[in-house]
Amino acid sequence: AQKVTQAQTEISVVEKEDVTLDCVYETRDTTYYLFWYKQPPSGELVFLIRRNSFDEQNEISGRYSWNFQKSTSSFNFTITASQVVDSAVYFCALSEPLPPPVKGDYKLSFGAGTTVTVRA
Amino acid sequence: DGGITQSPKYLFRKEGQNVTLSCEQNLNHDAMYWYRQDPGQGLRLIYYSQIVNDFQKGDIAEGYSVSREKKESFPLTVTSAQKNPTAFYLCASRNRGWDSPLHFGNGTRLTVT
Repeated sequence: AQKVTQAQTEISVVEKEDVTLDCVYETRDTTYYLFWYKQPPSGELVFLIRRNSFDEQNEISGRYSWNFQKSTSSFNFTITASQVVDSAVYFCALSEPLPPPVKGDYKLSFGAGTTVTVRA
Repeated sequence: DGGITQSPKYLFRKEGQNVTLSCEQNLNHDAMYWYRQDPGQGLRLIYYSQIVNDFQKGDIAEGYSVSREKKESFPLTVTSAQKNPTAFYLCASRNRGWDSPLHFGNGTRLTVT
């Protein structure tokens, strides 16, 4: 069975500190996708990044960066120089193929989420 | 702007009543999904639909029903058979294809007393 573990329930930092969110996953699939989503207080989940299992390059987008390590089944997320607007719940998710009769599609298995609070 | 609209944002019902949550998208996505979110937990899949007039049960479908009569619409009915209906419900959609991410609506918070 697919499983995503986000061991950190809550993280609290002062503005401008860096914060790293851990994500560890389990899968038997050789091809899969990993995602990070942000859920601000408004409730909507905002897509941040997608990474496929064949691409282990780290990625940086502004103050966000992601470290994918297949050897340790981890896909960690770092916010550099955090800001109050970064306060949200962050979810890591793993693609899981949908069962027949559906073909070529997936569902997402989500971790429990990490609540990040950035204090001014 | 394209997006997913869920209504209402807050919904209150008495125990024993069925209630229908609305989800409309104008992204021209084929696939639509309903997820449930409980405090301190990740999202769990209730139902999904790849095309019009077809849908499948997700991981926690008991006590729920859906319909997909139009591409843009995927309403979810929470029936009286659902034992713990109070939760935050999120609708999502995506294009077909493995590299297409899910897009989510703003959610409906249902409280049943």
